[in-house]
Amino acid sequence: AQKVTQAQTEISVVEKEDVTLDCVYETRDTTYYLFWYKQPPSGELVFLIRRNSFDEQNEISGRYSWNFQKSTSSFNFTITASQVVDSAVYFCALSGRGSRAQKLVFGQGTRLTINP
Amino acid sequence: SQTIHQWPATLVQPVGSPLSLECTVEGTSNPNLYWYRQAAGRGLQLLFYSVGIGQISSEVPQNLSASRPQDRQFILSSKKLLLSDSGFYLCAWSTQGSRGQPQHFGDGTRLSIL
Repeated sequence: AQKVTQAQTEISVVEKEDVTLDCVYETRDTTYYLFWYKQPPSGELVFLIRRNSFDEQNEISGRYSWNFQKSTSSFNFTITASQVVDSAVYFCALSGRGSRAQKLVFGQGTRLTINP
Repeated sequence: SQTIHQWPATLVQPVGSPLSLECTVEGTSNPNLYWYRQAAGRGLQLLFYSVGIGQISSEVPQNLSASRPQDRQFILSSKKLLLSDSGFYLCAWSTQGSRGQPQHFGDGTRLSIL
């Protein structure tokens, strides 16, 4: 069975601080895909990034960076110099070889609040 | 480019009334389609998914049903709403064919049952 755990339910920091959101996954598949989504207060889920299990290179996009480590089954997300607009619920998700439907297994989400 | 439309944005319905939420995707063909529900302050629960016209798979037993009458149209329905059907409903699509495709979500429908 596949599982995604986001142990941090809520995080609150002051603007300009760096913050890391943790994501730990479980899967028996050798090929799998990991995702991060952002859900701002308006409600829609915004796709941020996808990594496949064969690519452990870290990725940076502006103030966002992702650290994928197969040895610890983790795919952590860091926001550098956080801003109020980063306040949202962030979801980590996993997709395995599975079926044609490519279902995602989501973590429970981390609510991030950036205080001015 | 692909877009996904979901309506209505908000809905208030009495217990026992019927429900119909609609989702359409533009700019792609033969997408996978999904319906999720999110209770207040909770995670996402996959309700239904579809890999083609008329092909519906249910993830959890419930008071709801789904249909896909056209390639890019996905409808969530109920004959009689329950209080427990309240929540935020999200439709999503993904590309078929290659593995690991991300799902792209609509803006959601906030459903309140009175």
